[in-house]
Amino acid sequence: AAGVIQSPRHLIKEKRETATLKCYPIPRHDTVYWYQQGPGQDPQFLISFYEKMQSDKGSIPDRFSAQQFSDYHSELNMSSLELGDSALYFCASSLGFRRMNTEAFFGQGTRLTVV
Amino acid sequence: DAKTTQPNSMESNEEEPVHLPCNHSTISGTDYIHWYRQLPSQGPEYVIHGLTSNVNNRMASLAIAEDRKSSTLILHRATLRDAAVYYCILRVPGGGADGLTFGKGTHLIIQP
Repeated sequence: AAGVIQSPRHLIKEKRETATLKCYPIPRHDTVYWYQQGPGQDPQFLISFYEKMQSDKGSIPDRFSAQQFSDYHSELNMSSLELGDSALYFCASSLGFRRMNTEAFFGQGTRLTVV
Repeated sequence: DAKTTQPNSMESNEEEPVHLPCNHSTISGTDYIHWYRQLPSQGPEYVIHGLTSNVNNRMASLAIAEDRKSSTLILHRATLRDAAVYYCILRVPGGGADGLTFGKGTHLIIQP
């Protein structure tokens, strides 16, 4: 079965550069979530989208932005990268808006290293 | 936001059952109890969820207390592949991220 696809899997950037992470949800899933997981930390919610509209916002820095496109894939854009942005970035998808009784499926993540 | 409390870590032997507890004393009637796990270097993985009744699936069982203030994830026969961080999450209507927020989970160690 198709899973959530994230690209790239690994990314190395220098400070002050920009990065774009991509997420392709499971077909027919209309909700996408983004999480950041620092070393030894638990996943922290950044932002989510439903039907191409932002639905919730968590601890996403102003330097980051995201959007969901017409084909439901999503991109997380990160500018003015800092060393502290080095982390695993996970995308998850699910079906339906604010459905508490459904599961979310996570991708394998993108490991971003800022040097 | 509703909160959950889990032990930081637990240890079990391979091929034995594992009972992972979770306290959620502030749970409301419409809050769903979800469990996810995260294996090393992988994304979180859905395990099971429930509302009031006990639930079983191919991965695990979820036992929910009658007052719903606590629950227990049961792995019937642990394998080395079950070593992971297990997160108990309350999905709260109107909560940020549709309630899919991760707190401090339980690091499950499986001894061969």
